[in-house]
Amino acid sequence: DTAVSQTPKYLVTQMGNDKSIKCEQNLGHDTMYWYKQDSKKFLKIMFSYNNKELIINETVPNRFSPKSPDKAHLNLHINSLELGDSAVYFCASSQFAGSNNSPLHFGNGTRLTVT
Amino acid sequence: KNEVEQSPQNLTAQEGEFITINCSYSVGISALHWLQQHPGGGIVSLFMLSSGKKKHGRLIATINIQEKHSSLHITASHPRDSAVYICAVWAQGAQKLVFGQGTRLTINP
Repeated sequence: DTAVSQTPKYLVTQMGNDKSIKCEQNLGHDTMYWYKQDSKKFLKIMFSYNNKELIINETVPNRFSPKSPDKAHLNLHINSLELGDSAVYFCASSQFAGSNNSPLHFGNGTRLTVT
Repeated sequence: KNEVEQSPQNLTAQEGEFITINCSYSVGISALHWLQQHPGGGIVSLFMLSSGKKKHGRLIATINIQEKHSSLHITASHPRDSAVYICAVWAQGAQKLVFGQGTRLTINP
């Protein structure tokens, strides 16, 4: 069973479109995250949710809107896509946020290409 | 300057060699993670540590809190160890991971 699954794996779309990436975890974790990995492979936190509540919004443009219908799901909706949004987006989960006893589990990533 | 710096950025070695990847950080931390990202793109958590040393198979991770430094060692390296290795820290009081830029390791047969 996949612990953290995100779909789609690849997403190619044109500038100006709206798209969503879905993420689900079956680990029973309380905390979920969205990370962005740029072309230089540098990872950066975008959002963090704990038990469906937003705890981190790392100055991400408000075209990005996370939605957590329950603690097992954290979806990412992106409006008015721009070229600079092209990246790999990773969903992850952990039992607790910030704990030194709470390893991260990552999804396989969604490669978004905006043309 | 990034709060988490890794060295080297790229490392190429022959199969069987002992590998060391270093991570230095400039903030107080509650935990440090070592992650592995394979060419296929998936990210796997290798270690999470806040003191001392941990070992898993051929991989060893150490951390020196006073010196704000951690190392990841691979013994008897193998081509399947080829990947990007990423150091990340939970800064004290923060609720987010701060990542290093990664070390691309290539092991040639």
